[in-house]
Amino acid sequence: GNSVTQMEGPVTLSEEAFLTINCTYTATGYPSLFWYVQYPGEGLQLLLKATKADDKGSNKGFEATYRKETTSFHLEKGSVQVSDSAVYFCALVRSTDSWGKLQFGAGTQVVVTP
Amino acid sequence: SQTIHQWPATLVQPVGSPLSLECTVEGTSNPNLYWYRQAAGRGLQLLFYSVGIGQISSEVPQNLSASRPQDRQFILSSKKLLLSDSGFYLCAWRIQGKFYGYTFGSGTRLTVV
Repeated sequence: GNSVTQMEGPVTLSEEAFLTINCTYTATGYPSLFWYVQYPGEGLQLLLKATKADDKGSNKGFEATYRKETTSFHLEKGSVQVSDSAVYFCALVRSTDSWGKLQFGAGTQVVVTP
Repeated sequence: SQTIHQWPATLVQPVGSPLSLECTVEGTSNPNLYWYRQAAGRGLQLLFYSVGIGQISSEVPQNLSASRPQDRQFILSSKKLLLSDSGFYLCAWRIQGKFYGYTFGSGTRLTVV
């Protein structure tokens, strides 16, 4: 079954709107959690990460908090810009995986309009 | 500094033709290397990973193979492409023992016609 479940897109927002992308996971123990961003025509870039419960990752105005009790890692940004238009991937690495394989969600496309 | 190179950026190949995509890493040694594929409208799927020269693990059965002839070189191949092989292929590397810090290449968009 899927290890990472993301909300389906596309998500269309106006500039300066609040963005939330939901992500939940299925894994035993304490996986490491990540958000990656893929801008049009480019590869993936790490946006932020959290490696233990209650950690908050943040970068470029984006934030996500590792919630063990709800097995979630929702991505938020208070005021989006047109340049935030991209596909966002939630991902995890299982703590029991010695090879450190990233397992991705399906990705959520975000479109920000002026 | 550490960099990852992936080429070509785009590729259009006929069905039944061979494929070779190359990925090289600079500035590190003994990295873990990965090939991912992103099919149209779908998420990223891990295809192969390697923890050392000549050591390849496959995640899913498919029409593709991978090789690691040198420490920092990872090659994705096919003898005969299928239409279903179309997609966006990403190479990535990671320092062994670290569960973060993956670095992805810029990707190859493969269209099989």
